[in-house]
Amino acid sequence: TQLLEQSPQFLSIQEGENLTVYCNSSSVFSSLQWYRQEPGEGPVLLVTVVTGGEVKKLKRLTFQFGDARKDSSLHITAAQPGDTGLYLCAGGGGGSNYKLTFGKGTLLTVNP
Amino acid sequence: ETGVTQTPRHLVMGMTNKKSLKCEQHLGHNAMYWYKQSAKKPLELMFVYNFKEQTENNSVPSRFSPECPNSSHLFLHLHTLQPEDSALYLCASSRANTGNTEAFFGQGTRLTVV
Repeated sequence: TQLLEQSPQFLSIQEGENLTVYCNSSSVFSSLQWYRQEPGEGPVLLVTVVTGGEVKKLKRLTFQFGDARKDSSLHITAAQPGDTGLYLCAGGGGGSNYKLTFGKGTLLTVNP
Repeated sequence: ETGVTQTPRHLVMGMTNKKSLKCEQHLGHNAMYWYKQSAKKPLELMFVYNFKEQTENNSVPSRFSPECPNSSHLFLHLHTLQPEDSALYLCASSRANTGNTEAFFGQGTRLTVV
């Protein structure tokens, strides 16, 4: 069974601060996705990383896939209240294994 | 708007009721999923359909019955539920049989069983 551990589970910071959240596994994934979920809504896909060591940037968000494709991080620079939400990582097995394994998520609160 | 629409958004039902959740996707995807999201738990995959065929049932109790009449529509029929079944039920779709699966989710149905 593939498991994804996310840390920290909860994070409360002030506007303007930087933060990093982590997604770790003992399993290798062919791809890893990050989603953000707001209360009462479904998760929305932010990014997909597929190559070991890959770094992708989305405005103030930087995503990195570990060299061994077992872990990933999300770094937010100068957080804003609009970044508040549940950040979920999900790993894909690839090929005919198209199902995703989700972590429990990191609940981020950015205070004005 | 993600292209995946779920109805209803909220549902309150008694333990003896029968209700159905509906999901519709307009993305041309061929795989559809039902997930359950409870507080303090990871997203739990319930059912997977690929080209209308059920390919996975993750030991879900029989009081949950899925139906996939075509690759654009997915239903979850509910009957004699328990209060612990109260949760956010999420539908998702994706392109199956590709190397990098990206799931697109609906807004969910918030179910409360009383």
